[in-house]
Amino acid sequence: KAGVTQTPRYLIKTRGQQVTLSCSPISGHRSVSWYQQTPGQGLQFLFEYFSETQRNKGNFPGRFSGRQFSNSRSEMNVSTLELGDSALYLCASSVDGPANYGYTFGSGTRLTVV
Amino acid sequence: EDQVTQSPEALRLQEGESSSLNCSYTVSGLRGLFWYRQDPGKGPEFLFTLYSAGEEKEKERLKATLTKKESFLHITAPKPEDSATYLCAVPSGSGYALNFGKGTSLLVTP
Repeated sequence: KAGVTQTPRYLIKTRGQQVTLSCSPISGHRSVSWYQQTPGQGLQFLFEYFSETQRNKGNFPGRFSGRQFSNSRSEMNVSTLELGDSALYLCASSVDGPANYGYTFGSGTRLTVV
Repeated sequence: EDQVTQSPEALRLQEGESSSLNCSYTVSGLRGLFWYRQDPGKGPEFLFTLYSAGEEKEKERLKATLTKKESFLHITAPKPEDSATYLCAVPSGSGYALNFGKGTSLLVTP
C-alpha cells in the first residue's frame, strides 16, 4: 500500500517568490493536513481539508493557502516567501480526520528560503 | 487552550539503560493521545494511540502508558536504532488537528 507522497523533497527559493507543494494521500484517505516543522516551534498546524473543503486552519498569515482536489490530492502555496518560512513542510493523511486514528505522514518537503 | 508538554527535551542513554519519556497534557475531554517517532529528515511515524487512563500498549522495547494528566513512553534496554525524536500529540478541540509537543530527542550510544 503506497504511503503519503510529497513532492518535491527539497526546494530552494528566494525571498519574495512563491512556492507550491504537493501531497498525494493514501488511497481512501479523504482528510489531508499540513504542518510546518521548525527546530524552535516544533510541529505547527497549517490547515486540514476533507472532501475539498477546508475544515480547520491554524494561526498562519494569509500568505499560506491550500486546496484539495476531487481525488483527495492536496497542494499548499506560500506567496511572498520570507526567510522565516524555511522549514520542513509535512503532509499527513487520515480516513476522516486525525482524532480517531491519527495520521500517516509523508516524508516532507524541505523548503529553504534565501 | 490545549497544551502538550514533553520532557526531557533531550536524553542520552547507554545501550541497555532503560528510561522513560514524559508527555503531560491539559485538555478538556481527552479523545486520544498519540505517540510518534521521527527520524532526522523524515516524517513522524505512528507508534501508539491511548484512549483512557490506565491503558497500556507495547511494541518491541517501547511501552506507552496513560494517566489522567500525562503519558509515559518507557524504553526498556534501548538499542542505538531507537535513537530518534519522540513526539506526543492530542486532538484539538475541533478534532481536525493534532496538537504536538516539541518532542524528546533520544540518543542511545553503544
